Amino acid sequence: KAGVTQTPRYLIKTRGQQVTLSCSPISGHRSVSWYQQTPGQGLQFLFEYFSETQRNKGNFPGRFSGRQFSNSRSEMNVSTLELGDSALYLCASSERAGGGELFFGEGSRLTVL
Amino acid sequence: DAKTTQPPSMDCAEGRAANLPCNHSTISGNEYVYWYRQIHSQGPQYIIHGLKNNETNEMASLIITEDRKSSTLILPHATLRDTAVYYCIVSPLNNAGNMLTFGGGTRLMVKP
Repeated sequence: KAGVTQTPRYLIKTRGQQVTLSCSPISGHRSVSWYQQTPGQGLQFLFEYFSETQRNKGNFPGRFSGRQFSNSRSEMNVSTLELGDSALYLCASSERAGGGELFFGEGSRLTVL
Repeated sequence: DAKTTQPPSMDCAEGRAANLPCNHSTISGNEYVYWYRQIHSQGPQYIIHGLKNNETNEMASLIITEDRKSSTLILPHATLRDTAVYYCIVSPLNNAGNMLTFGGGTRLMVKP
């Protein structure tokens, strides 16, 4: 089975722009969750989707949004980028919601200038 | 979610067992202990989880104390490729979703 695939792997944006990151979960996995990792804050939960519904949302501003498609693929969007949004964005998939065993992708490294 | 306490760093000699401790004194009855690791520049990797019995898989063993207030992850024969940050997390198996709370973890350095 192919693992979790995230695209793009690296990207550079400037303040005020927006960005869309994509995640393809492991085949058969219906839960997709997103995490932000920064040196200062560590790994922080952003949100989780299961069967196209957002089940949980972390403590992030409304500039951070996401969605899940019927094929379980997910996208997250960050609008009006700020310097502090520079981070590694990780996507994880799981067979079910609440299982705890997550399979992470390699991440998308966003740099905001 | 219950919080966990881990030492910030540990060293281990290659080929020896690495024993990584974790305190979770406020764990509740329906919460499991999960271990993940993150090798530099990669996404976290699931290792093992357990409720109250000791668990073993091809990667590691998990020893949970009888009172469940602490646990130890054991890598039986550490290799250089086991150098990573190891995270201990407690979470209900059937919580509202896959919302894991990662702490600071333990940075394990395996030395030749």
